[in-house]
Amino acid sequence: GQNIDQPTEMTATEGAIVQINCTYQTSGFNGLFWYQQHAGEAPTFLSYNVLDGLEEKGRFSSFLSRSKGYSYLLLKELQMKDSASYLCAVRVAQTGANNLFFGTGTRLTVIP
Amino acid sequence: DSGVTQTPKHLITATGQRVTLRCSPRSGDLSVYWYQQSLDQGLQFLIQYYNGEERAKGNILERFSAQQFPDLHSELNLSSLELGDSALYFCASSPLQGLGNEQFFGPGTRLTVL
Repeated sequence: GQNIDQPTEMTATEGAIVQINCTYQTSGFNGLFWYQQHAGEAPTFLSYNVLDGLEEKGRFSSFLSRSKGYSYLLLKELQMKDSASYLCAVRVAQTGANNLFFGTGTRLTVIP
Repeated sequence: DSGVTQTPKHLITATGQRVTLRCSPRSGDLSVYWYQQSLDQGLQFLIQYYNGEERAKGNILERFSAQQFPDLHSELNLSSLELGDSALYFCASSPLQGLGNEQFFGPGTRLTVL
């Protein structure tokens, strides 16, 4: 099976930087995704890592270390609208499939 | 707007009943995925279809079934409903069967079982 861990809640200040960690244990690892989800809404794609290293996309960056089973999402210049849940998801290679297994998410609250 | 549509947006029903949730994928996407998200729970993968065929099964109960039609829309059928089935049900789509990248999520159907 898959085991994906991330902190339940985090709080950060507007304009600051926050790092959300995700650790995973899985067989057949084939990529790690980060999604943002506002309460009651659909998850929206933020980033994807399949090789080790840092992927940068504007204010958002994501890092992956496959040997350590570890990823983080870095959010810079936080804005109030960044208050949301951030979901770490692992893609597992199965024949003919592209399944994602999600952690329970980290609820980020941005305060003024 | 991801381009994935789901109907209905809200559904309220009683225990023991049966409901059908509908999903239309993005234009051109052949893969459809169903997820369940209960209160304070993560997204749980239920089932995947690709071009009409079942491709993978996750934590889907035997009371639940799904299918994908020739026009690629999909339906998730939930029967003998229990209180614990109350959740948000999301459908997602992606272009490819296997090594596609992101999945695009629909707005979800909120199911309340009373």
